[in-house]
Amino acid sequence: GQNIDQPTEMTATEGAIVQINCTYQTSGFNGLFWYQQHAGEAPTFLSYNVLDGLEEKGRFSSFLSRSKGYSYLLLKELQMKDSASYLCAVTEGWLTGGGNKLTFGTGTQLKVEL
Amino acid sequence: DTAVSQTPKYLVTQMGNDKSIKCEQNLGHDTMYWYKQDSKKFLKIMFSYNNKELIINETVPNRFSPKSPDKAHLNLHINSLELGDSAVYFCASSLGPTNSYEQYFGPGTRLTVT
Repeated sequence: GQNIDQPTEMTATEGAIVQINCTYQTSGFNGLFWYQQHAGEAPTFLSYNVLDGLEEKGRFSSFLSRSKGYSYLLLKELQMKDSASYLCAVTEGWLTGGGNKLTFGTGTQLKVEL
Repeated sequence: DTAVSQTPKYLVTQMGNDKSIKCEQNLGHDTMYWYKQDSKKFLKIMFSYNNKELIINETVPNRFSPKSPDKAHLNLHINSLELGDSAVYFCASSLGPTNSYEQYFGPGTRLTVT
């Protein structure tokens, strides 16, 4: 099984940098995803890490340390529109019969203030 | 162009009724999923199909029956609805069942059982 932990809420200021942490304990691991979900909307893909290190994509970066069971999402130059829930999700790996089974954390609600 | 669409967007019904939610994707993806997001915003996998074949079946009451008539469609039928079934149900699709593929989510169906 999987256990995925994220802070419930965070608040940051427009223009600042915020780091959202995610720790996981898994029986298997084959990648970690970050998704963004605005209130009342569908989750949308932000990043995928399977190897250790930092993946940068514009204002968003994601880091993974497999040995520590740890990831973070870094958001730079925060904008008001970044106010959303950020979901960390781990994939167990190839299951019997196939299947990309994502197990999600409970999400971190980020509020960006002026 | 809508990538993953679901109908209906809202569904209000009484306990004991049977209802269906439909999902269609026009991305040419092979794999589709159903997720349930509860009132605490926890997103949990229910089912996954790859090329019309069931590949993930989580611990879901057998009142829930998915059906995939072709790889572009995945419907969810729910019998004898209960209050605890109230949630947002998201359909998603990915290129294939491989772990690295991002999932594209539909807009969600908000089910309220009274």
